[in-house]
Amino acid sequence: GAVVSQHPSRVICKSGTSVKIECRSLDFQATTMFWYRQFPKKSLMLMATSNEGSKATYEQGVEKDKFLINHASLTLSTLTVTSAHPEDSSFYICSATQRWAFFGQGTRLTVV
Amino acid sequence: GQQLNQSPQSMFIQEGEDVSMNCTSSSIFNTWLWYKQDPGEGPVLLIALYKAGELTSNGRLTAQFGITRKDSFLNISASIPSDVGIYFCAGQLGRDDKIIFGKGTRLHILP
Repeated sequence: GAVVSQHPSRVICKSGTSVKIECRSLDFQATTMFWYRQFPKKSLMLMATSNEGSKATYEQGVEKDKFLINHASLTLSTLTVTSAHPEDSSFYICSATQRWAFFGQGTRLTVV
Repeated sequence: GQQLNQSPQSMFIQEGEDVSMNCTSSSIFNTWLWYKQDPGEGPVLLIALYKAGELTSNGRLTAQFGITRKDSFLNISASIPSDVGIYFCAGQLGRDDKIIFGKGTRLHILP
């Protein structure tokens, strides 16, 4: 099946710094990718829809200036958590669709 | 907005038992999806359903797309230890539309 690769799988950063997470569709092109956040023992919460060549669409309550999304090519979307704080610590997952949604491996972000 | 109600929230079963979980929605979907998530990993697609009434199997897994388009179930037969994990139902209107997830069913297998 289609492969979506997410990098890094784990990252620890200091409070106040920014972190970039990459999501790549390895063997197909994706005009749309999705970014999710998942808290422990909870479901996936959609944060935003990443649109190639245009602005991302953010879900209600998600700060677009906090979570910057760039979808510069048909195979790459990036999520940048700016000025990270401990409450931003979470599991972030991306997905891309080729007939159905395929997910990346997830990124565990820990802000200390 | 659209919501998915997934039940049960968790299950504790003996190895070899059959498992059944379901999802209901307040509105229709054109695609129903079932995913499994292992700890620290992204969800992996198990079964995709595209037509109302469709019954699809994948090994020991069987899922059905409800005739009203507002519900779906997933059955696992003869459970084995590697079935442990969280199972999510998900609904989608169109291929590039966002996917709405249920809250998950956490499956535990007792030794």
